[in-house]
Parts: sequence; C-alpha cells; structure tokens
Amino acid sequence: AQSVTQLDSQVPVFEEAPVELRCNYSSSVSVYLFWYVQYPNQGLQLLLKYLSGSTLVKGINGFEAEFNKSQTSFHLRKPSVHISDTAEYFCAVSHGSSNTGKLIFGQGTTLQVKP
Amino acid sequence: NAGVTQTPKFQVLKTGQSMTLQCAQDMNHNSMYWYRQDPGMGLRLIYYSASEGTTDKGEVPNGYNVSRLNKREFSLRLESAAPSQTSVYFCASRIQGPNYNEQFFGPGTRLTVL
Repeated sequence: AQSVTQLDSQVPVFEEAPVELRCNYSSSVSVYLFWYVQYPNQGLQLLLKYLSGSTLVKGINGFEAEFNKSQTSFHLRKPSVHISDTAEYFCAVSHGSSNTGKLIFGQGTTLQVKP
Repeated sequence: NAGVTQTPKFQVLKTGQSMTLQCAQDMNHNSMYWYRQDPGMGLRLIYYSASEGTTDKGEVPNGYNVSRLNKREFSLRLESAAPSQTSVYFCASRIQGPNYNEQFFGPGTRLTVL
C-alpha cells in the first residue's frame, strides 16, 4: 500500500529566507507525485507535479521539488519566501499505472512566514 | 469556466439527520472524487467515480453514499449523520493525459454534526 509522510507539521521561517518542506513516500510501484497548497478557508491548488522525465520539477510561485527515487522523497523548496506563501502544503502520491487517479495525501505542513 | 463548485458552503446538522452535498464540474472531466479533511490527517478519499456510471469506495467510505448523476455531477450523501462526520468535505475532478494528470478541487463544504 502507498503512504505519504510529511516530516514537519509546522515550519516557521522569516520572509526572504529559503525553505524546504519534506515529503517521503512508500510504494512498491511507480508513482506520480504532487504538491498542493491550501490557503485559509480555500480549496487545494496544484503547485507542481512529477509524472516522468526530469527529476527537478518547477511549479508556480517560484516553488520547485526534486524527485529522489532512491530515497523515496519529493521535497519542496523555495529560495526566498514571501508573507503570501503562508499556507498549508500537502504532498500527495498516486499509482503511476492506475487509471483511477486516486491520491494518497500526507498530513500537511503549515508554512508560517514571519516578517 | 466555474471549475468545480460545491454546495452548500456550510452546514450544521443534528445527529441522525441526513443531507446531500452537491458537486459539479464544467471541465468535461471523466473522474470525480470526494475527500474529507480533518486536522493533522490530510485529505482522505471517501468515494470516487473513475467515469460516468461507475463509483468505488475509497479509504473511508463508511457512513456515506454517492451518486454520479451524469458526467458533470457527483453527490455525497450522509444518511444518518454522526459527530465523527464533522469535517471539511472537498470534491475534485481529474484531467488525464500523457503529459498531465491532476485533480482540481472545489472550495469545500464545512459540515458540523452536533
């Protein structure tokens, strides 16, 4: 069975500092990987995804993530955060060859950007 | 395009009452999903519909039923609400292709069961 672990429940960081949100997954088959962002009282918005190809994936709002198959990780990074990046971030995985598209989510990481 | 819409936005029920959460998408997607979000647990899949006319259980289906009314609409029903079903419910639809595979989420329904 697939599972996703987000290693930090909360990450406080100062504005303009770099940030990394960690995500590890377990799966015995190929996977697709996603990062979603949720702003307060809103739905989820896709930040970036890895389906195949280059292991470094760039997304919206200056975020990027690197797929590391040997470490089964998909950490999210941003070199310089803004106050507006304060939100909850979810890592998710789906079965690479399945047609159902079912997503397994991590527990979420709250990014708190301080001025 | 409105994307994925959900009604109602908020609802308060008493234990034992029933209700239906509505979801519609105007993106012509085949697959639709219902999730619940609880603090510290991320989102968990309740039911999904891979295509019109099919529905399947997800991770936490107990206490819920679904109907895929047509390609656009996918409703979630609570027949006898329980306090454990207090949660935020999200509907999503999926676009699928060789270079893309992502779900689009609605704004959510915040449900409280007293």
